[in-house]
Amino acid sequence: EIVLTQSPDTLSLSPGERATLFCRASQSVLSSYVAWYQQKPGQSPRLLIYGTYTRATGIPDRFSGSESETDFTLTISKVEAEDSAVYYCQQYVNTPGTFGQGSKLEIK
Amino acid sequence: QVKLVQSEAEVKKPGSSVKLSCKTSGGTFSSHAINWVRQTPGQGLEWMGAILPMFDATEYSSRFKGRLTITADESTTTAYLELGSLTSDDTALYYCARAFDHGTAKPTQFASWGQGTRVTVS
Repeated sequence: EIVLTQSPDTLSLSPGERATLFCRASQSVLSSYVAWYQQKPGQSPRLLIYGTYTRATGIPDRFSGSESETDFTLTISKVEAEDSAVYYCQQYVNTPGTFGQGSKLEIK
Repeated sequence: QVKLVQSEAEVKKPGSSVKLSCKTSGGTFSSHAINWVRQTPGQGLEWMGAILPMFDATEYSSRFKGRLTITADESTTTAYLELGSLTSDDTALYYCARAFDHGTAKPTQFASWGQGTRVTVS
């Protein structure tokens, strides 16, 4: 089973700042099989990004995904108050698909 | 617009079973797998399994094999999760989620989610 480790656990930013969230896999994961979700309290997860780079329908372009040698990254270019949530990465290259433990984004 | 509506909360005794439902509307039921994902404070989001209704094909996480059964009724566009031998560790919020990709029961990204069903084992 592929383990995804997200960092930081919590990120506290002011509106307009840039948020960068990381997701590291315990084994190689093809970029085609990585997604990011946003979950607000009392709500179901919402798909933001899939295939590492592609924004889901209706997602603002301030959200973007990328990858480096070791990490997958979710970037929010200029955070807004409504972006306060927990963000999860997911890999679905094989069974079982797994999720990271989540990163909480707080907006000051 | 795809919508998934799940059954109401359940309270179960240890050792018993629970059966949850997920009624879908909009989109094509048969060709997109319905997945089940549960959420607990300790384990986070955990994929449990899926069913592709058009072939009745299922995939399960090995963590639940032997006590998890996922079924689907195409006539009512409803998927079901049945989990047996419940313990307190199964206390969680259970989500159904529709696969983004069609034609496979293997894990994929999930664009549509139900509202969740809380199961308490006590």
